[in-house]
Amino acid sequence: GAGVSQSPRYKVAKRGQDVALRCDPISGHVSLFWYQQALGQGPEFLTYFQNEAQLDKSGLPSDRFFAERPEGSVSTLKIQRTQQEDSAVYLCASSLFSDGSYNEQFFGPGTRLTVL
Amino acid sequence: EDQVTQSPEALRLQEGESSSLNCSYTVSGLRGLFWYRQDPGKGPEFLFTLYSAGEEKEKERLKATLTKKESFLHITAPKPEDSATYLCAVLPFSSGSARQLTFGSGTQLTVLP
Repeated sequence: GAGVSQSPRYKVAKRGQDVALRCDPISGHVSLFWYQQALGQGPEFLTYFQNEAQLDKSGLPSDRFFAERPEGSVSTLKIQRTQQEDSAVYLCASSLFSDGSYNEQFFGPGTRLTVL
Repeated sequence: EDQVTQSPEALRLQEGESSSLNCSYTVSGLRGLFWYRQDPGKGPEFLFTLYSAGEEKEKERLKATLTKKESFLHITAPKPEDSATYLCAVLPFSSGSARQLTFGSGTQLTVLP
């Protein structure tokens, strides 16, 4: 079956541009997460959705970052007025349940964002 | 604050040379500990979940174990295709809505033929 997919795989933006990153989770997965991964580091949490509800956005680094999942499936992470420090790999993950059972998160391939 | 520390940062092994990777963690209460494998340019690939001290899980040449303070990923007779970065992550118990994983920085494993 299909795993988590993300697009685009690579994005180059000029400083100040807005970007939108897309995530298609595994069909039927309730929970969706966005993480940011800097080179040589582990992923760091950005935000979490349960169906269409954004339950936790405590990891978003600034108000330039915005995420949505309007129909409880596909999600978009938007970054406004990109800065060089936003350069990183953005990972999306989904998991089947949200109630604490079977907590395995399955990751997409990521979008590598480079801000010039 | 939840913390995960992995060691060593990098490990080079000869093919067939068994070793272990360490993951030390500090959480208020552990819901689960996860091991992932990450190849260059790819997302993390799920390997194991461990839920309680004393639990062990195996998959091919890999075995993960868990104590109250750390987890080990044992690699027996590794092959070059086992070369990757291995990530450890914890999911704490939370009274709120938090479900996110806290990751360590990973161990970059290179297995030489």
